[in-house]
Amino acid sequence: QKEVEQNSGPLSVPEGAIASLNCTYSDRGSQSFFWYRQYSGKSPELIMFIYSNGDKEDGRFTAQLNKASQYVSLLIRDSQPSDSATYLCAATLTQGGSEKLVFGKGMKLTVNP
Amino acid sequence: SQTIHQWPATLVQPVGSPLSLECTVEGTSNPNLYWYRQAAGRGLQLLFYSVGIGQISSEVPQNLSASRPQDRQFILSSKKLLLSDSGFYLCAWSRTGNNQPQHFGDGTRLSIL
Repeated sequence: QKEVEQNSGPLSVPEGAIASLNCTYSDRGSQSFFWYRQYSGKSPELIMFIYSNGDKEDGRFTAQLNKASQYVSLLIRDSQPSDSATYLCAATLTQGGSEKLVFGKGMKLTVNP
Repeated sequence: SQTIHQWPATLVQPVGSPLSLECTVEGTSNPNLYWYRQAAGRGLQLLFYSVGIGQISSEVPQNLSASRPQDRQFILSSKKLLLSDSGFYLCAWSRTGNNQPQHFGDGTRLSIL
């Protein structure tokens, strides 16, 4: 069973701090990795994707990928109360010629004013 | 730009009743389409995916079925709902090809009484 594991948290940080969210995946064949943000009662929203080893920055968000360690992370700088949400990590899985996403169970982040 | 529409937003149904949830995508052709269920406090479970009209792959055996009568229309159905069918149902689309992110509709919150 191919899996994506996230620490379920919850994670609580003060406003202005860096929030660090981590994810590991079991399928070495996974090529692409995605971070989704899900506010309570809403659907997941794509915020970052990364394909290559290293860092990818987009505004206050940085995704980090280490394929050798099968590890993906999301850093949120200058955290704001509006960042409070559940963050889902996902990895691609290719089976039978079709590509699907495998999702972690999510980590709940609370940013305290 | 592409948009995905999903309805209804909420639904309350008695046990044993039928179900039909509909999802449509605009602004793209030949998308991959997905149905997920998210139970309370749990991760996203892939139920069905489709790479084209009439092509449905089932991930989890259950009393649900899916159909794709048109290129950008995806329908989730059941003849007789069970209590365990309660949850948050999400439709998603992606472009064809590898390493494509999925984009979610607003979801349907289904409660079975």
